[in-house]
Amino acid sequence: GQNIDQPTEMTATEGAIVQINCTYQTSGFNGLFWYQQHAGEAPTFLSYNVLDGLEEKGRFSSFLSRSKGYSYLLLKELQMKDSASYLCAVADSNYQLIWGAGTKLIIKP
Amino acid sequence: GAVVSQHPSRVICKSGTSVKIECRSLDFQATTMFWYRQFPKQSLMLMATSNEGSKATYEQGVEKDKFLINHASLTLSTLTVTSAHPEDSSFYICSARGLGGDTEAFFGQGTRLTVV
Repeated sequence: GQNIDQPTEMTATEGAIVQINCTYQTSGFNGLFWYQQHAGEAPTFLSYNVLDGLEEKGRFSSFLSRSKGYSYLLLKELQMKDSASYLCAVADSNYQLIWGAGTKLIIKP
Repeated sequence: GAVVSQHPSRVICKSGTSVKIECRSLDFQATTMFWYRQFPKQSLMLMATSNEGSKATYEQGVEKDKFLINHASLTLSTLTVTSAHPEDSSFYICSARGLGGDTEAFFGQGTRLTVV
């Protein structure tokens, strides 16, 4: 079966750095997406990785290792507004997105 | 990025009535749109894939006759929840992707449906 695993909840301090991990087992791989979702709102796109390595975009970076079926989202200089759920999604061999359950990130002052 | 507009954002309806949710891609042609349902603190659950000009593909366990999907044009897909019941209360989100499997999905704003 297809499976995406990510921690249910994480807590971090304002100004700090947090890494949210995602492991996946899918039938085929055509890229991994990270989305941010605030409560009651639709997800918004953060990043896309299809090749191994680190993609940096401002305070957010995303890493992919295809051989390990592993990705992480790194958030630096955390701000209170970063409190949200972070969803990992993998495009399988049919380019269908398989979604993780999301990681709820709580930022404390 | 591209814009997907979903309407209404919130709706309250009585049990037994039907509710239509619209999803429009405003600045690109979406041959495929996806309809998701999300319960509190849970992940997005794909309900169906809507293809322009053809019948939607429903995921296992999703009732076709209850969740009617129409994708009559390249910019509009609708989801109609028929004979709604309180257990249908949920957050419904549509998503559209452009051509190319590696393109990101653009989401509508979501619709909070409450059936009383």
